[in-house]
Amino acid sequence: DTTVKQNPRYKLARVGKPVNLICSQTMNHDTMYWYQKKPNQAPKLLLFYYDKILNREADTFEKFQSSRPNNSFCSLYIGSAGLEYSAMYLCASSRDRGRTGQLYFGEGSKLTVL
Amino acid sequence: GEQVEQLPSILRVQEGSSASINCSYEDSASNYFPWYKQEPGENPKLIIDIRSNMERKQIQELIVLLDKKAKRFSLHITDTQPGDSAMYFCAASEDTGANTGKLTFGHGTILRVHP
Repeated sequence: DTTVKQNPRYKLARVGKPVNLICSQTMNHDTMYWYQKKPNQAPKLLLFYYDKILNREADTFEKFQSSRPNNSFCSLYIGSAGLEYSAMYLCASSRDRGRTGQLYFGEGSKLTVL
Repeated sequence: GEQVEQLPSILRVQEGSSASINCSYEDSASNYFPWYKQEPGENPKLIIDIRSNMERKQIQELIVLLDKKAKRFSLHITDTQPGDSAMYFCAASEDTGANTGKLTFGHGTILRVHP
């Protein structure tokens, strides 16, 4: 099974409220990623876990939190959603920290902040 | 960090003709260049990739070319079919150092193949 599952597929949130997105994979991949995709923009890497080590991009450092309680699950947490967080959030996983190439993407979680 | 430019944004072709998408990158340390296809409502899927030790790779109707000197790479779809209609993303990453596995994507190209 090469599926990466994301929940929820669609999320409506109010400004100022928290948002938690979940991702899971059963491929025993060591690395899991979160990308943000806005219309007409490239998918932007927010953070990734290599095993238990979290790497956050410098410009998103304070905006997103994440946890990886075990190899299969990874969450993306927004403490206080703003309008600018409206986007598609793509989770992906890879083995060998992506050295061998392929990232497997989930279908995305579309977040709309009102 | 790495920057990847992708052109065109929209590409319309007739069925049976070829389609070409071009990407450029800035970081000479990038050595892995995958292409992802995303169909509406679905997740992006890897369709072909090339590493810096190659200049050309072909899988069936897909051809990727890499020019390391110019820092450019491209995807060519020969004999396009309506099923090729989708969003295509190029990306670049390196497989060593702190940036290992961190894909930087282009903005994407919407390909429409008309019957």
